Amino acid sequence: GDSVTQMEGPVTLSEEAFLTINCTYTATGYPSLFWYVQYPGEGLQLLLKATKADDKGSNKGFEATYRKETTSFHLEKGSVQVSDSAVYFCALFRTGNQFYFGTGTSLTVIP
Amino acid sequence: SAVISQKPSRDICQRGTSLTIQCQVDSQVTMMFWYRQQPGQSLTLIATANQGSEATYESGFVIDKFPISRPNLTFSTLTVSNMSPEDSSIYLCSVVRGTQPEAFFGQGTRLTVV
Repeated sequence: GDSVTQMEGPVTLSEEAFLTINCTYTATGYPSLFWYVQYPGEGLQLLLKATKADDKGSNKGFEATYRKETTSFHLEKGSVQVSDSAVYFCALFRTGNQFYFGTGTSLTVIP
Repeated sequence: SAVISQKPSRDICQRGTSLTIQCQVDSQVTMMFWYRQQPGQSLTLIATANQGSEATYESGFVIDKFPISRPNLTFSTLTVSNMSPEDSSIYLCSVVRGTQPEAFFGQGTRLTVV
């Protein structure tokens, strides 16, 4: 069945460091891929998404590219800020199906 | 987009009691989803709530423990029945909208059972 495997955390970085959070998926067909972010005490919010192979999703300095050949959708940011501290979830969705979420990666950015 | 109001935002409950969580969406949706997020874990789908029919439960979740109501296209409730400390978790409602679908979430209900 469909599934998402996400890099385990927690991840601690200094401000302005480079961030990568790895995500790979297993799915039949052509799913859409997403990154969601959960700030402390809040629900999940969409960070970015990509709906087909080679698409790049981007938002707030974060980027992820849909790589069908490696079934990956790694999240990157060139320079993290303290305000980026949150839990990040990779997810996939196929039409007529449901969302599948990874286990989440907790990021803490220290000044 | 969709705005989802979920309440209560948190509660502390005695074991053996029940808690009903409400989820209100700002527009009509066909399906609403209820998730559980245990500490340090990902989201686990409990059930899908369709208006006018019984909810569809995922493996490991049963209606007697998690009864769901869906009286109209903008509202749903999830009840956590006969609670035990193992039910301590965050419960989230969600809807999927759009032609390029996106999941929208309520802010969650943080439940602690003592």
